[in-house]
Amino acid sequence: AQTVTQSQPEMSVQEAETVTLSCTYDTSESDYYLFWYKQPPSRQMILVIRQEAYKQQNATENRFSVNFQKAAKSFSLKISDSQLGDAAMYFCAYSTSGTYKYIFGTGTRLKVLA
Amino acid sequence: GAGVSQTPSNKVTEKGKYVELRCDPISGHTALYWYRQSLGQGPEFLIYFQGTGAADDSGLPNDRFFAVRPEGSVSTLKIQRTERGDSAVYLCASSATGQGYGNTIYFGEGSWLTVV
Repeated sequence: AQTVTQSQPEMSVQEAETVTLSCTYDTSESDYYLFWYKQPPSRQMILVIRQEAYKQQNATENRFSVNFQKAAKSFSLKISDSQLGDAAMYFCAYSTSGTYKYIFGTGTRLKVLA
Repeated sequence: GAGVSQTPSNKVTEKGKYVELRCDPISGHTALYWYRQSLGQGPEFLIYFQGTGAADDSGLPNDRFFAVRPEGSVSTLKIQRTERGDSAVYLCASSATGQGYGNTIYFGEGSWLTVV
């Protein structure tokens, strides 16, 4: 069975600094997708970034980028130039080849210090 | 609508009561999902609709849980004989299709159910 593990329950970063959130996963599939979702206090899960497993190039969305290590089954999120609005829970998620069933990790709470 | 809309936002009910949670997906989205998020956990899959039919209900925890989507748009999650362990945020999501490249799902803000 596929699993997603986030080993950092909480992280803090100074405003304008860079922080990296960790995620590892376990799967026997070769074709899958990985996601990072942000959940602010409003509870709405907002897609931050998506990575297709067959793509070697790491995905980037403005200040957000990932370090995807397929052999190590690692998928970390780097947030550059952290802003106060980045404070939220961040969830790593996995789905097989674009299917509907996402498997989420337990989340990392990110605090941004002014 | 512009986004996935869920009602009620918060619901407190007594143990043993029946509750209904409503989800209005993004207009035109054929796929609809329900997830449950317990305190301190990530969301867990409950059920997936493609159109009016439940294509996969393998995540429903037991037969007290049931969901419908009679006209292929709005969905209702129904919980009978509620138990304290049902307390959680119930998240609804939708996507343009149910699978394939680019199938990004969009979540609502959830319904926070508390069973006392």
